[in-house]
Amino acid sequence: AQSVTQLDSQVPVFEEAPVELRCNYSSSVSVYLFWYVQYPNQGLQLLLKYLSGSTLVKGINGFEAEFNKSQTSFHLRKPSVHISDTAEYFCAVSPHYGGATNKLIFGTGTLLAVQP
Amino acid sequence: DAGVTQSPTHLIKTRGQQVTLRCSPKSGHDTVSWYQQALGQGPQFIFQYYEEEERQRGNFPDRFSGHQFPNYSSELNVNALLLGDSALYLCASTRPPDTQYFGPGTRLTVL
Repeated sequence: AQSVTQLDSQVPVFEEAPVELRCNYSSSVSVYLFWYVQYPNQGLQLLLKYLSGSTLVKGINGFEAEFNKSQTSFHLRKPSVHISDTAEYFCAVSPHYGGATNKLIFGTGTLLAVQP
Repeated sequence: DAGVTQSPTHLIKTRGQQVTLRCSPKSGHDTVSWYQQALGQGPQFIFQYYEEEERQRGNFPDRFSGHQFPNYSSELNVNALLLGDSALYLCASTRPPDTQYFGPGTRLTVL
């Protein structure tokens, strides 16, 4: 079985400051890793994904994440946030078997609140 | 190119009723997954359909059932609604090796 832990339920940050959203996972099998963003009253939008290869992954809107297998982490970072980045961010894993279209297991989300 | 669409946007039902939610996948996608997102929680996987058959299922009771049509669109049916079924229901579509794209969701309120 797989599980995802997002320890920070809310992260307040000032505009133009850097931010890191933490994600740790547990799995008995190899997994693919994802970050999704959800704006108010909307569905989920894929920010970035790690399937294989380089452990540093770049996504949309200036976000990046680093896969650390030994620490089973996949933290999301952005060097300078904007007001428009205010949203709920979800980390998710998907077991390798069945391919990248397998079911997604989500964390409980982190609300990024960017203040002027 | 239209993305994943869902209908209706909002729905209000009473306990014990039945509901049907609909999803049209992104063009070219043949696999549809359904997720339930309770308020303040992450989405929970309900089931996935491929070639008109349920391929995977999460930990949801048999009151939750689905269907996939030849045009790859899908329905989620929930019988005997409970207050705890109130949630945002998300549909996601994909076609290997692509990843999952989500629709805007259907907000179900059970009174």
